[in-house]
Amino acid sequence: KQEVTQIPAALSVPEGENLVLNCSFTDSAIYNLQWFRQDPGKGLTSLLLIQSSQREQTSGRLNASLDKSSGRSTLYIAASQPGDSATYLCAVYSGGGADGLTFGKGTHLIIQP
Amino acid sequence: DAGVTQSPTHLIKTRGQQVTLRCSPISGHKSVSWYQQVLGQGPQFIFQYYEKEERGRGNFPDRFSARQFPNYSSELNVNALLLGDSALYLCASSLGDRYQETQYFGPGTRLLVL
Repeated sequence: KQEVTQIPAALSVPEGENLVLNCSFTDSAIYNLQWFRQDPGKGLTSLLLIQSSQREQTSGRLNASLDKSSGRSTLYIAASQPGDSATYLCAVYSGGGADGLTFGKGTHLIIQP
Repeated sequence: DAGVTQSPTHLIKTRGQQVTLRCSPISGHKSVSWYQQVLGQGPQFIFQYYEKEERGRGNFPDRFSARQFPNYSSELNVNALLLGDSALYLCASSLGDRYQETQYFGPGTRLLVL
């Protein structure tokens, strides 16, 4: 059974810092990995989707990398801003319609002004 | 274009009651998936529907059921509600039936069971 772990569970940093969020998964046989952002009490906003054949994806100040063989992904946020404060969720798709996406518990990020 | 919409936004029910949650996917999307998110946890997969057929089911009891309509909107039904069913219920849509593409989530329906 696929399991996804996100470290750290919570992170608080001053504005302007570059930071890295980590995601690991137990079964490396994945089709893709997706990073989401969730604001308090809200739905999920997709940030980046990395297919299993890709090594990284970039969108603005966000860069996500994937090392499928080691079961790891990182989300790099450059020049953090208070508006980046949210919970960041990592999810993998392992195939098989019975599974859908498997999510981690998320990293709760606070950017201090 | 409108994103994924869900109704109602909030709902309060008592144990033993039944509830129906609704989801409208992004225009042109034919796949709808349902997830349950308990406070402090990541979302858990409940169902996927594509072209009105169930394509996947997570580890949830038979009290949970869903269907998809010809316009691709979907309903999630939960019978005999338990306190543990209190959660944020999320709907996601995508173009096809595979998960090799971005999943777009709605704002969710927050269900409280008393």
